[in-house]
Amino acid sequence: ETGVTQSPTHLIKTRGQQVTLRCSSQSGHNTVSWYQQALGQGPQFIFQYYREEENGRGNFPPRFSGLQFPNYSSELNVNALELDDSALYLCASSLGPQETQYFGPGTRLLVL
Amino acid sequence: EDKVVQSPLSLVVHEGDTVTLNCSYEVTNFRSLLWYKQEKKAPTFLFMLTSSGIEKKSGRLSSILDKKELFSILNITATQTGDSAVYLCAVRGYQKVTFGTGTKLQVIP
Repeated sequence: ETGVTQSPTHLIKTRGQQVTLRCSSQSGHNTVSWYQQALGQGPQFIFQYYREEENGRGNFPPRFSGLQFPNYSSELNVNALELDDSALYLCASSLGPQETQYFGPGTRLLVL
Repeated sequence: EDKVVQSPLSLVVHEGDTVTLNCSYEVTNFRSLLWYKQEKKAPTFLFMLTSSGIEKKSGRLSSILDKKELFSILNITATQTGDSAVYLCAVRGYQKVTFGTGTKLQVIP
């Protein structure tokens, strides 16, 4: 059984650019959640996808968007990057929306 | 707005000590409370609690939930240097998970 994987591990972008982060869920998991974790803070919930549909969203603007594919992998897209978007982006997968979430290693994004 | 507050923010103990980490919450449509350990990047799952008063144990770690007073504690007995990490408490509502800021635990030999 493979765990949750994310790519890339690190990324540097400039303000105004767009970025796509990727997540492969653990085998058998149909739910993926995305989190933003700033330095010294707890993860902040961005949104959750369940069977390819958005199933909950935190307080993030529309320039944060996502997709889930038929194989349950997922993408997080962020448009018009701002300096404050610099953070660790974590993906977590689970057997269902209310089940235990297992986290990937994260993508560290730096916006200059 | 949903809120999760952890205390203390940081803690330094000696190996062999027992520690208690606290988590209080205000969440609409509570479903479960989760504890995670974060060492470098990925938080690793420790416990999920849904019912009051039932202690969950895993080795030297244990946790309990009080849904009436809206808090949970995580106990670590006989601490080891490998327990040094940030411990995160999260509460799941209907379609959202809210994390606390975490408690940074440092265990010194």
